[in-house]
Amino acid sequence: DVKVTQSSRYLVKRTGEKVFLECVQDMDHENMFWYRQDPGLGLRLIYFSYDVKMKEKGDIPEGYSVSREKKERFSLILESASTNQTSMYLCAGAAGGAHNEQFFGPGTRLTVL
Amino acid sequence: KNQVEQSPQSLIILEGKNCTLQCNYTVSPFSNLRWYKQDTGRGPVSLTIMTFSENTKSNGRYTATLDADTKQSSLHITASQLSDSASYICVRGGGSQGNLIFGKGTKLSVKP
Repeated sequence: DVKVTQSSRYLVKRTGEKVFLECVQDMDHENMFWYRQDPGLGLRLIYFSYDVKMKEKGDIPEGYSVSREKKERFSLILESASTNQTSMYLCAGAAGGAHNEQFFGPGTRLTVL
Repeated sequence: KNQVEQSPQSLIILEGKNCTLQCNYTVSPFSNLRWYKQDTGRGPVSLTIMTFSENTKSNGRYTATLDADTKQSSLHITASQLSDSASYICVRGGGSQGNLIFGKGTKLSVKP
């Protein structure tokens, strides 16, 4: 069974804190993604990565950065958390190719107070 | 305007009944159309992926159809079960994995 794991299911942080969300995949996939999901909106892409040390901005990169030092691990960083970053964060992995399935992790529900 | 529109927003059906969820997409280029199932508080799980040359694909009791001419897709669920209660998300795929457009989903509740 393919597996994408995320470091926390629930996280509560304070405004201004630096926040790290970790994602690990065991599928040896080239592509990894970070999305956020908010009520009434579809999933929105924050950043993605095609390879180690490579990153591409998605639709809403402002306020976020990412790190991919190893193929299996993709980290999302909130440099200075704000209340409007309270959301569900979903990580996904996929093999190369436009038609391949994206496998999602269980999500991290982040609350910024 | 969202490029992927789903209807209805929510739906309640009785266990054992069939239902059909709709998806219209407005964006080109188009390379594939995906349906995901998302249980509450969980990540989405893929049900089907159809390329523009396919017009139907099944996964157990789930059957997706695609009409690339009218830019419409549907997901038909046969003999619904309580475990089908979830949100169903339609996704238009573009030329790369980083170019997916997600619909807002249809929330399905199956009642006993």
